[in-house]
Amino acid sequence: NAGVTQTPKFHILKIGQSMTLQCTQDMNHNYMYWYRQDPGMGLKLIYYSVGAGITDKGEVPNGYNVSRSTTEDFPLRLELAAPSQTSVYFCASSYYMDANTGELFFGEGSRLTVL
Amino acid sequence: AQSVTQLDSHVSVSEGTPVLLRCNYSSSYSPSLFWYVQHPNKGLQLLLKYTSAATLVKGINGFEAEFKKSETSFHLTKPSAHMSDAAEYFCVVSESRRNTGFQKLVFGTGTRLLVSP
Repeated sequence: NAGVTQTPKFHILKIGQSMTLQCTQDMNHNYMYWYRQDPGMGLKLIYYSVGAGITDKGEVPNGYNVSRSTTEDFPLRLELAAPSQTSVYFCASSYYMDANTGELFFGEGSRLTVL
Repeated sequence: AQSVTQLDSHVSVSEGTPVLLRCNYSSSYSPSLFWYVQHPNKGLQLLLKYTSAATLVKGINGFEAEFKKSETSFHLTKPSAHMSDAAEYFCVVSESRRNTGFQKLVFGTGTRLLVSP
């Protein structure tokens, strides 16, 4: 199994441009998440989804949008990119919603630079 | 709100010596705690988790952690470091989101483990 696959791995955007980070998982997990990782700051939750057609905001959703049309895919869209969105983005999935019992499976990350 | 504090941003050890990565947590009730590891240019991988069962938790690759409620700590240890242990380690606490049942993970800022020959 491939697990969680993210594309692209690296990308440079100009201020004001938009783009979509792709995430797909082949583990039939209902729950999927997008995090951003900034140096020295740990991971912050952007959006999450509990199943196809259902999404909700995390801690830092401003400037982002998500959709979940299938179980496998959970793309993250950046609208009007700003330098503050320069970060490493991680997609993750889990079988259970309850983090007490389930672990998160992470992709390898997408490193985004906004200039 | 729950939080975790990783007391060292960097830890350097020699191969074959013990590893200690420190984590303190803040929680208004019994937390679930995790350690994740991130190797360079890779995603995070679960090392071990504490969910109110045994206070000494064993994980993968010889790591273990002990939950100490009186000290609000969950330190990660390994008796003998290997070169392959060089990575970033994150202490994580789960937090319940009211009215939704959603368990949110709160990440520490990470500790980079350096292992020298």
